[in-house]
Amino acid sequence: GAGVSQTPSNKVTEKGKYVELRCDPISGHTALYWYRQSLGQGPEFLIYFQGTGAADDSGLPNDRFFAVRPEGSVSTLKIQRTERGDSAVYLCASSRSTGYKNEQFFGPGTRLTVL
Amino acid sequence: SQQGEEDPQALSIQEGENATMNCSYKTSINNLQWYRQNSGRGLVHLILIRSNEREKHSGRLRVTLDTSKKSSSLLITASRAADTASYFCATGRGGSQGNLIFGKGTKLSVKP
Repeated sequence: GAGVSQTPSNKVTEKGKYVELRCDPISGHTALYWYRQSLGQGPEFLIYFQGTGAADDSGLPNDRFFAVRPEGSVSTLKIQRTERGDSAVYLCASSRSTGYKNEQFFGPGTRLTVL
Repeated sequence: SQQGEEDPQALSIQEGENATMNCSYKTSINNLQWYRQNSGRGLVHLILIRSNEREKHSGRLRVTLDTSKKSSSLLITASRAADTASYFCATGRGGSQGNLIFGKGTKLSVKP
């Protein structure tokens, strides 16, 4: 079956603009995660959803970042007033559920460049 | 914040040799997982070891976990050029806390 897909694969924007990044999880996976990875670093957790609700958004760096998952499937990460420091690869992952097994399947990522 | 610290940061070996990567972490965990990443994009799950397990095998991979030392190792035997990638350990606390905490990774280069 299809894996996790993310669009766009690359996004170049100007400082101050608004961007939306989309994630399509594996069908039937109830948990969805967003991570951000800067060059030379491991992924850093941003937010995760169990169903439609954000179960943990403690990783969002500030209130310019927001994510939704209105129907419990596709999720959109929204960044307002982008800054150069937001440049990174944004990774989405999904898993069958949360819990001890918690194997997460990652998408290819969206590379965001803020000029 | 990052939990794990992989060691070494970079490793270069010849094809056929074994590669060992280590990971240390700070807080209590429910499980520890290893992921591989090619070209700075999507991660591929390799293996998960639970906190009550000490060793696990999957093909050419062997993972050990020492919870008393808060450390884990990943051994890749008979390495191949295709194993060239970055390897990350990630810790999961389980239960309702679903997110993984990743280390900075080990960049492995396998020369043919």
